Amino acid sequence: DAKTTQPPSMDCAEGRAANLPCNHSTISGNEYVYWYRQIHSQGPQYIIHGLKNNETNEMASLIITEDRKSSTLILPHATLRDTAVYYCIGSMYTGNQFYFGTGTSLTVIP
Amino acid sequence: DSGVTQTPKHLITATGQRVTLRCSPRSGDLSVYWYQQSLDQGLQFLIQYYNGEERAKGNILERFSAQQFPDLHSELNLSSLELGDSALYFCASSVAGAGLTNYGYTFGSGTRLTVV
Repeated sequence: DAKTTQPPSMDCAEGRAANLPCNHSTISGNEYVYWYRQIHSQGPQYIIHGLKNNETNEMASLIITEDRKSSTLILPHATLRDTAVYYCIGSMYTGNQFYFGTGTSLTVIP
Repeated sequence: DSGVTQTPKHLITATGQRVTLRCSPRSGDLSVYWYQQSLDQGLQFLIQYYNGEERAKGNILERFSAQQFPDLHSELNLSSLELGDSALYFCASSVAGAGLTNYGYTFGSGTRLTVV
């Protein structure tokens, strides 16, 4: 699985877009980029995943660079409930266990 | 409710004791994964079962063991407990044996183990 690098912490004003970067320069061609978040000791929650194309769902958008070495998770209108640790994981679609790094602790400020 | 059920939610026990944590996967999911999250640490993968068989092992201590039963529920057994075993233990499930679906894993709400 690809090693990922994320900033340890970020702040975002409530109502603004939160842009969380992830570097995955060693990702292989068949590895997906997954994003999860963990809200204060709850079980991690799936957000979104992608391979090459940008993806959007009801929670967030995922922008993957053309060379696939990095990606950005975008929460379009951050709320206080989005305060959480966000994990970026590179893994094969048919792979096995996820290895979580230290993630980015996002704090949404009123 | 994620559909993954973990019991108990909280457990306090003494050093040297043995405990069993239980996980019922989401309906239709065949794989179960166990993770440990200690204070100030990330999620550490322990072990994976698929349809009753061990599929992968991570950083699981020899004092820990797990199994998955025919009804697909799983149990994580922790023995000779030490203070350092105090942690959140999460179970996750997925449909595929290889571990990934369009949604990856679905996590339970965890069991908080405190060893005193």
